[in-house]
Amino acid sequence: DGGITQSPKYLFRKEGQNVTLSCEQNLNHDAMYWYRQDPGQGLRLIYYSQIVNDFQKGDIAEGYSVSREKKESFPLTVTSAQKNPTAFYLCASSIATGADYGYTFGSGTRLTVV
Amino acid sequence: GENVEQHPSTLSVQEGDSAVIKCTYSDSASNYFPWYKQELGKGPQLIIDIRSNVGEKKDQRIAVTLNKTAKHFSLHITETQPEDSAVYFCAAPLNGNQFYFGTGTSLTVIP
Repeated sequence: DGGITQSPKYLFRKEGQNVTLSCEQNLNHDAMYWYRQDPGQGLRLIYYSQIVNDFQKGDIAEGYSVSREKKESFPLTVTSAQKNPTAFYLCASSIATGADYGYTFGSGTRLTVV
Repeated sequence: GENVEQHPSTLSVQEGDSAVIKCTYSDSASNYFPWYKQELGKGPQLIIDIRSNVGEKKDQRIAVTLNKTAKHFSLHITETQPEDSAVYFCAAPLNGNQFYFGTGTSLTVIP
């Protein structure tokens, strides 16, 4: 079955640590996205990528970094510069960028700072 | 987000009743409006969408209506069932490049 796989499902980070969240898709989608979800809020865009080796900052990119070395993979690194990283992180993909197509979401990674 | 307003934030209905969730958007050039359902601990799932060339779209018990003049669109769920209980998000484009999501509606269907 085609879809998006996020791992791990739960992740704990110590203060000052960088952590990387994995996102893999086998839908042959060009565009991939990372969103952050906090309780009572909508999804906020962190980064997105239209094609391999290209990515753009979203509304809340500070303290995060991404790479897109393969079409299937779009990992997100939460750096120590992100002051409030505890949140639910969602990866998504779509056939192309732009706001003309729906997204397929992964099942999310819940990151907690300990 | 501030570019998409979603109401209500919580909604409780009796099983079998209808539920309506409304979103308003700001970009008059927007042409595509999806709705997502998110169950506890899972990612959102696209359940229905509408493009601006039509005013209504139905899929079994779910329908979406669009009023481009007023810049709002609504999700309608009829004959609600307990498995409809979830958080529902609308999304609308801004500048044609990305979606902004509403803050979500937590729907509870009471058996």
